[in-house]
Amino acid sequence: EAGVAQSPRYKIIEKRQSVAFWCNPISGHATLYWYQQILGQGPKLLIQFQNNGVVDDSQLPKDRFSAERLKGVDSTLKIQPAKLEDSAVYLCASSWTVGEQFFGPGTRLTVL
Amino acid sequence: GIQVEQSPPDLILQEGANSTLRCNFSDSVNNLQWFHQNPWGQLINLFYIPSGTKQNGRLSATTVATERYSLLYISSSQTTDSGVYFCAVDAGKSTFGDGTTLTVKP
Repeated sequence: EAGVAQSPRYKIIEKRQSVAFWCNPISGHATLYWYQQILGQGPKLLIQFQNNGVVDDSQLPKDRFSAERLKGVDSTLKIQPAKLEDSAVYLCASSWTVGEQFFGPGTRLTVL
Repeated sequence: GIQVEQSPPDLILQEGANSTLRCNFSDSVNNLQWFHQNPWGQLINLFYIPSGTKQNGRLSATTVATERYSLLYISSSQTTDSGVYFCAVDAGKSTFGDGTTLTVKP
């Protein structure tokens, strides 16, 4: 069974530029999560989808971050415009419904 | 929101030693997971353990939901056990602790 796929693995941009990350969950998993992990901290949930509906986005900085999961399968997280403090690893995870989560390898973003 | 506290924050062991990592949470949870984050940043699932005790080789975990804590035991530690161990709970929203950084010296 294929795991959670994410791309790109690394991205370097300058502040005020835009960036997008892609995630393809494990086949059949209804729930998809995006997390931000800043160095030295635990992952912080940004947004949780159940199929293509949003369950929780209370910690998503909506003035610059957006996410979509149009067909209830893969998902895109966008940052526009990026700030220096957005430098982090962005992790995607999926689960059947609410249950055991499985994580992708992450995308390491550096904002210069 | 729910608070998740992990202790100790850092742990240094000699190879072969045993250790106990703790995760305290401030409210009732629907589920709890333990992860190991390897040096490349990948989160590896160790246990999905909302309650009770589970064992997998040298690792075991116990969650006492009524007292709002979980313990991860590592026996006969190896250098490959080094990394950061995270506890994550779900109380309507997934919340991670800040982790325990384990260093196992040969």
